[in-house]
Amino acid sequence: RKEVEQDPGPFNVPEGATVAFNCTYSNSASQSFFWYRQDCRKEPKLLMSVYSSGNEDGRFTAQLNRASQYISLLIRDSKLSDSATYLCVVNPDMRFGAGTRLTVKP
Amino acid sequence: DTGVSQNPRHKITKRGQNVTFRCDPISEHNRLYWYRQTLGQGPEFLTYFQNEAQLEKSRLLSDRFSAERPKGSFSTLEIQRTEQGDSAMYLCASSLPFEGESTGELFFGEGSRLTVL
Repeated sequence: RKEVEQDPGPFNVPEGATVAFNCTYSNSASQSFFWYRQDCRKEPKLLMSVYSSGNEDGRFTAQLNRASQYISLLIRDSKLSDSATYLCVVNPDMRFGAGTRLTVKP
Repeated sequence: DTGVSQNPRHKITKRGQNVTFRCDPISEHNRLYWYRQTLGQGPEFLTYFQNEAQLEKSRLLSDRFSAERPKGSFSTLEIQRTEQGDSAMYLCASSLPFEGESTGELFFGEGSRLTVL
């Protein structure tokens, strides 16, 4: 089993749609969790950290389920500019999932 | 600019040649990571330093790859006898440990793109 696994995607959604991604991790000792966004041919950039109680940043909501060992990312009212690849990574291993590609269409 | 810096940004080389990439992390970050990324894949872990100590190295990394961080600041990644399959983006990231107010998030450089002909 890979350390981190993500929904394979790709996700093609219309503007305004709500979309959710999941990411499962294998190391039960994982301590911190992150969602990164990567645009084509650019480096990954932090989108948001994931806290135990869940957290929200505008249209983005991240959740952690320690019992089932997964994290999720919910994007509401999606915009064209949300089109990117979304990567999850967990600490301490710092292994990335393969990424889920999102395309938001007009 | 106090972000992570990588050089060179692009490198084209012939098969069999050696190449070296350099990464300058954020100055107060004691952790430094190297990843390799090919099109359509997530970053693949290569190796990790805490200060000057190389604490982990991927089993996928062949003996042709070596990384150093001699003074606990900048790091180099060398690939010897390059092969076409080494063509990829090589990403460096740095972080603080997950403790106190630090979440341990990774800060990436812009990457070094290698093309092996």
